[in-house]
Amino acid sequence: KAGVTQTPRYLIKTRGQQVTLSCSPISGHRSVSWYQQTPGQGLQFLFEYFSETQRNKGNFPGRFSGRQFSNSRSEMNVSTLELGDSALYLCASSLSGGDYTFGSGTRLTVV
Amino acid sequence: QKEVEQNSGPLSVPEGAIASLNCTYSDRVSQSFFWYRQYSGKSPELIMSIYSNGDKEDGRFTAQLNKASQYVSLLIRDSQPSDSATYLCAADSGGYQKVTFGTGTKLQVIP
Repeated sequence: KAGVTQTPRYLIKTRGQQVTLSCSPISGHRSVSWYQQTPGQGLQFLFEYFSETQRNKGNFPGRFSGRQFSNSRSEMNVSTLELGDSALYLCASSLSGGDYTFGSGTRLTVV
Repeated sequence: QKEVEQNSGPLSVPEGAIASLNCTYSDRVSQSFFWYRQYSGKSPELIMSIYSNGDKEDGRFTAQLNKASQYVSLLIRDSQPSDSATYLCAADSGGYQKVTFGTGTKLQVIP
């Protein structure tokens, strides 16, 4: 079966810009979670969407937002980028719960 | 604050030995527990899930859960150099709670 597809794989943006990342989950999976991974902080939860509804949100500023479409594809948006937003952004797909299948991630570099 | 704690390592074991990875969690309502393996430059991959007290075996891997002690462990028998990776422990409180990850233990299997 097709895995979790994240696009783009790499991004370089300038401070102050905004960025949109995309995730297509495994077919049939309605839950999509987003995580930020940095060497110092590990995997930090951003938010989870299930059937187009945000069910939970982590402790990130309002500059981080997301949405899910009726086909379960999800996008996350980061506005007014800061240097500290440089990280690997991972999308995780599941039927529900923590038995995730992760995408390959989007490596965001803010300069 | 819900936390999952792991020793960052590195944990070095000789090839063929048993590697023992440990994890503690603070949220007593956590119901499901997962071990993920992450190779350098790759995304995490689910290798074991455990939901009830006791042991669960899958090939060379055994997960152990003790809810009274809030302790989860992963044993890797006959460790191979290909097992060298960072192992992430995760806890899921169920419902609409987010899955919380530990910062991971780096395992090095020495040939």
